[in-house]
Amino acid sequence: NAGVTQTPKFRVLKTGQSMTLLCAQDMNHEYMYWYRQDPGMGLRLIHYSVGEGTTAKGEVPDGYNVSRLKKQNFLLGLESAAPSQTSVYFCASSYPQGGFQETQYFGPGTRLLVL
Amino acid sequence: DQQVKQNSPSLSVQEGRISILNCDYTNSMFDYFLWYKKYPAEGPTFLISISSIKDKNEDGRFTVFLNKSAKHLSLHIVPSQPGDSAVYFCAASGEYGNKLVFGAGTILRVKS
Repeated sequence: NAGVTQTPKFRVLKTGQSMTLLCAQDMNHEYMYWYRQDPGMGLRLIHYSVGEGTTAKGEVPDGYNVSRLKKQNFLLGLESAAPSQTSVYFCASSYPQGGFQETQYFGPGTRLLVL
Repeated sequence: DQQVKQNSPSLSVQEGRISILNCDYTNSMFDYFLWYKKYPAEGPTFLISISSIKDKNEDGRFTVFLNKSAKHLSLHIVPSQPGDSAVYFCAASGEYGNKLVFGAGTILRVKS
């Protein structure tokens, strides 16, 4: 199993450009998440999904959109990139375990630089 | 306002000694706590967790202690090894199924 994979690994954008980050998981997990990591801030939840066709806002959703058309894929879109969106983006997935908190499994990250 | 705080940005320990990483939280609704380890250019990987119904959980060289009254948890690594050098994130959750809240992380350096 590849686990959680992210595409691309690194990208440079100009302010105002758009792009889509792709996350794929092969563990048949129901839940998927997008985080961003900034220095001194830890990981902050952008959007998440509890199943195919569903999405919800996290802590820092502004400027991002997501889609979960297939269970194994979770896409993060930036419609008009801003320098403040320069960050490392991590995707994660998890499987609900009936009342107990489940562990989230993370991808390797996408480093995004917006000039 | 950070609900999960790791007040030590970095920690340096000699190989073979104990490493103690600390984490404080403010939200009394948190009932599940996790530690993740992250190497450079990789995603975080799950290390160990603890439910609020326990005060200690052990897995090999790693032990997590939870003090609910103080809203404090700590991760002990004994003995520390150079391969333990990484960033350690504390995370907490109060709802089933989602929304982990992460601390800012502590960089651990284990010197040989």
